[in-house]
Amino acid sequence: GENVEQHPSTLSVQEGDSAVIKCTYSDSASNYFPWYKQELGKGPQLIIDIRSNVGEKKDQRIAVTLNKTAKHFSLHITETQPEDSAVYFCGRAFGNEKLTFGTGTRLTIIP
Amino acid sequence: DTGVSQDPRHKITKRGQNVTFRCDPISEHNRLYWYRQTLGQGPEFLTYFQNEAQLEKSRLLSDRFSAERPKGSFSTLEIQRTEQGDSAMYLCASPAPGLPVLSSYNEQFFGPGTRLTVL
Repeated sequence: GENVEQHPSTLSVQEGDSAVIKCTYSDSASNYFPWYKQELGKGPQLIIDIRSNVGEKKDQRIAVTLNKTAKHFSLHITETQPEDSAVYFCGRAFGNEKLTFGTGTRLTIIP
Repeated sequence: DTGVSQDPRHKITKRGQNVTFRCDPISEHNRLYWYRQTLGQGPEFLTYFQNEAQLEKSRLLSDRFSAERPKGSFSTLEIQRTEQGDSAMYLCASPAPGLPVLSSYNEQFFGPGTRLTVL
């Protein structure tokens, strides 16, 4: 179906180290994979996305990789900073249909 | 600030009461989505509009829920006879400004949400 599995559910990283969050999807028709950051009391904020015709995308300290064969994609945050602490959600969609989200990863950056 | 606004930001109501939320999406775009987010979970799709037409509804949207988008601009989500299980954050999303209307991709920008508490 359209489920998305996200791991880990919590992640603590020393400031300056890298963080990696992984998601697996089941619907092979999926062609759009966004990542959102959500801070307490706020709506999800789109931080990076990738489409199925590319394998990797990078934006400063954030990168996303996609393995279509294995149906998984990952968020990589390098040189983590305290302001990276938040809950991160992966998502998938086909075309302009609804997004299906993972269950979230609470990332804590330890100063 | 994504340009998507929602009102009210918080709503506390007693069980059995009706509530209505409003979403003002990023202007010039024809697609608008509603999601619901419960504590510790990712957002779950509720319904989707293209202009004023409601194109898809989730099974989560019971007959107590109704959404409208008159004139294809702002949207309202009404919950009748609220239940404690309706307590959640209700999120509205629309595509990015400048994105081609017929884009096949789906960047969605979320508003700040309306947090509903049913006592």
